[in-house]
Amino acid sequence: DTAVSQTPKYLVTQMGNDKSIKCEQNLGHDTMYWYKQDSKKFLKIMFSYNNKELIINETVPNRFSPKSPDKAHLNLHINSLELGDSAVYFCASSLSGGRPSNYGYTFGSGTRLTVV
Amino acid sequence: AQSVSQHNHHVILSEAASLELGCNYSYGGTVNLFWYVQYPGQHLQLLLKYFSGDPLVKGIKGFEAEFIKSKFSFNLRKPSVQWSDTAEYFCAVNVRGSGNTGKLIFGQGTTLQVKP
Repeated sequence: DTAVSQTPKYLVTQMGNDKSIKCEQNLGHDTMYWYKQDSKKFLKIMFSYNNKELIINETVPNRFSPKSPDKAHLNLHINSLELGDSAVYFCASSLSGGRPSNYGYTFGSGTRLTVV
Repeated sequence: AQSVSQHNHHVILSEAASLELGCNYSYGGTVNLFWYVQYPGQHLQLLLKYFSGDPLVKGIKGFEAEFIKSKFSFNLRKPSVQWSDTAEYFCAVNVRGSGNTGKLIFGQGTTLQVKP
């Protein structure tokens, strides 16, 4: 009974392709996030949605476009993939992301994207 | 800009040794503090969190952390490590108050290797 599930787990693709990563949470949380973990394991936020509204959009190339069809889903579409996009992408969710939360954040298992 | 600094990048200990991992953050306001663990090939799991109250926080698997506001620190400790504690450890901060978008700012991580 996975709380935050991401698909696919692994993604190998060629430069220039367009790909999507999907994320779903069944925790009833209202806020979802995308984080990128680079080869040095550094984690940085990319986007966040609260109740389907974009609330965080860090300095990310506009080739990356998040979409939240409802508060349980947050997808990430990447156009024209580049070698530097290779990383592990983690989805996360939390409750009441706009106010102090007592529930913390729950992370998905990650999607390892390799661009060749 | 807020930042989180973890002093130890790579720590090697023998089983039963005591552990302390340093974490400092730069933000003068009120924060929520977290420690996450990432076992090899897995997603991030919450070890413990601090929101308010007793600055000594106990988490899972025998870990604890102490929030020292005057030092902007939230160090992680464990009196006796086990081989199964081998993992990557991340300190993270979330800024409270107006403008709190819920995003976590992560430290660069500490790799802990426990030798049997």
